[in-house]
Amino acid sequence: NFMLTQPHSVSESPGKTVTISCTRSSGSIASNYVQWYQQRPGSSPTTVIYEDNQRPSGVPDRFSGSIDSSSNSASLTISGLKTEDEADYYCQSYDSSNHEVFGGGTKLTVL
Amino acid sequence: EVQLVESGGGLVQPGRSLRLSCAASGFTFDDYAMHWVRQAPGKGLEWVSGISWNSGSIGYADSVKGRFTISRDNAKNSLYLQMNSLRAEDTALYYCARRLTTSSNFDYWGQGTLVTVSS
Repeated sequence: NFMLTQPHSVSESPGKTVTISCTRSSGSIASNYVQWYQQRPGSSPTTVIYEDNQRPSGVPDRFSGSIDSSSNSASLTISGLKTEDEADYYCQSYDSSNHEVFGGGTKLTVL
Repeated sequence: EVQLVESGGGLVQPGRSLRLSCAASGFTFDDYAMHWVRQAPGKGLEWVSGISWNSGSIGYADSVKGRFTISRDNAKNSLYLQMNSLRAEDTALYYCARRLTTSSNFDYWGQGTLVTVSS
C-alpha cells in the first residue's frame, strides 16, 4: 500500500490563490484517480474535485485539481480565496487491491 | 433526497463488540459500493472498509482486518459494520459513504456515529 502526504497546514489571504499538494509515496499518481474533499468543522466531508480534475456541480470554478507525474503528486488549487473556504482538505485515492487511501489532511486558514 | 443515516455507536469497553448500521434512502442502493470511513477526535479521515454492490468484493484496512466485518442487505437498503475485539484506538466518528460502481468518488457521506472504546 502507498501513502498520500499533505502539508499539515497552509494559510493565505482572501482573494489570493493557494495550492495544496498531495504526494504519493509509491506507484504512479496517474495510476488511480485522486479526489479532494472539503470538511468544515462539525460537518461531513464533501467532494470538491473528483477524478483528478473534475468539479461536482455546485462547486465553484475557483477550485481546480491537477496531477504532476514528475513530482508524483496531485494538487488542489483554490483561487480568489474566500473566508468560507477555510476548512480541512483531504486527498484520496485507491490501489488495485480495493484499498482506499486518504491523505493526512491540510488545514486551510484564510486570514 | 439522498440520506445515509448511521446508528449503533456508543460507549463500549475494550475487547467488546459493537454493530454499526447505515440506513440508505433516496437512491438506488445496489447501484453503489458502500464504505466505512472513520475519524478519530481531532484527527484525519481513515478508510476502514468497503463492499461492492453485490458483496462480491470486500476490502479492509490493515488496522481492522480480522476484527471488523462489513456486510450489506440490499433488500433493506442497509450497510453494516460488525466490530469485534474493540480497542481504544478504534474510538472515532464512523461515517458511511457511497460510491457509484463506475466512479472513484465518495459522493455522499452520512453524519456519522460516534464509537468510544474505554473502560
